[in-house]
Amino acid sequence: GESVGLHLPTLSVQEGDNSIINCAYSNSASDYFIWYKQESGKGPQFIIDIRSNMDKRQGQRVTVLLNKTVKHLSLQIAATQPGDSAVYFCAENDDAASKLTFGTGTRLQVTL
Amino acid sequence: DTAVSQTPKYLVTQMGNDKSIKCEQNLGHDTMYWYKQDSKKFLKIMFSYNNKELIINETVPNRFSPKSPDKAHLNLHINSLELGDSAVYFCASSQFGTGEAGYTFGSGTRLTVV
Repeated sequence: GESVGLHLPTLSVQEGDNSIINCAYSNSASDYFIWYKQESGKGPQFIIDIRSNMDKRQGQRVTVLLNKTVKHLSLQIAATQPGDSAVYFCAENDDAASKLTFGTGTRLQVTL
Repeated sequence: DTAVSQTPKYLVTQMGNDKSIKCEQNLGHDTMYWYKQDSKKFLKIMFSYNNKELIINETVPNRFSPKSPDKAHLNLHINSLELGDSAVYFCASSQFGTGEAGYTFGSGTRLTVV
């Protein structure tokens, strides 16, 4: 079946460095992607999204890049802070079916 | 006020029991969901309801029965609980058809079956 997956289960970065979290998706018909952050004991929280007619979108300290040619998404976090420590998920939204399909998640650990 | 609230936050029960998890959203959304997160953090959709009508049932055993009394509530009832049902269950809501940034999740219910 269709899936959205992540390459690395755990990423360790030093405080102040930039983080890059990657995601591969397989459904070429996907037209909307979302990054979520999940802290311990909490539900997924929206970070940033991107439509397939864009290849880059920036938020506050976060940037999402979309490469439709290779079906790849990345989330860049600038100047990573301890509060960024969490599990990050990419998700593909199928608006017609009204459901999100999540990737497997990457745990980001920020070291001091 | 919490936008999507679930109760209880923790639930420990014995195999074979029947239990319910409740969810309420105050965002005015018309679509609600249940997701299951396993021990490896994988999130998978179980059900979605739009205006009280079931629109997605992702091959979930029929021991799981969602009920939506109105569009602000989506409860999950589980019969004859099994060890494999242990997981964290998340409720979410969105406004159907908009997609963008519209999914809001509750804080989860950790179900442990012993």
